[in-house]
Amino acid sequence: GQQVMQIPQYQHVQEGEDFTTYCNSSTTLSNIQWYKQRPGGHPVFLIQLVKSGEVKKQKRLTFQFGEAKKNSSLHITATQTTDVGTYFCAGLLSAGNKLTFGGGTRVLVKP
Amino acid sequence: DAGITQSPRHKVTETGTPVTLRCHQTENHRYMYWYRQDPGHGLRLIHYSYGVKDTDKGEVSDGYSVSRSKTEDFLLTLESATSSQTSVYFCAITTGDGYTFGSGTRLTVV
Repeated sequence: GQQVMQIPQYQHVQEGEDFTTYCNSSTTLSNIQWYKQRPGGHPVFLIQLVKSGEVKKQKRLTFQFGEAKKNSSLHITATQTTDVGTYFCAGLLSAGNKLTFGGGTRVLVKP
Repeated sequence: DAGITQSPRHKVTETGTPVTLRCHQTENHRYMYWYRQDPGHGLRLIHYSYGVKDTDKGEVSDGYSVSRSKTEDFLLTLESATSSQTSVYFCAITTGDGYTFGSGTRLTVV
């Protein structure tokens, strides 16, 4: 079955620094979505990427979808304490309506 | 968020007992999903529904059943709870702009 892998599993970041989390799928995706889950909360939708090579920005967050539509990345610049949480990517196959989630990257920020 | 609520929020139950979790939505969305979340596994799909009485299995459906007799309600039942089903359960709907999740049900099977 489809697998979505995320690395790293944990990311310790000094406040003000940048970091990137990566997402890889075993199969070509129709689209990829990113979610953020704060500690004790539920996943919240951030963004969806559909096109090959697409890049989208949300303030300090930059999302990319790979040319082959099998990988994606999330880059956060100038990390703040409000960025703490777990970031999940989730892939949607062309023929389905079911999202497959990666294991998530848990981000911890050191002030 | 998008009128989706889960109940109960927390439950402790004994091994072997039946448990039903409820997901309720108020905006007539066609698709509804049940996921479980466990450390190191992210979110895994249990079952989903694409309409009243139309359901299908996800990747971890063993030990679970679902029912959707009305558009607004999607029920998840553990027929005989086991300790391996201790988890946080999330219901979700699709809104055209990603998934919207409920607040979750923390289930502990002792």
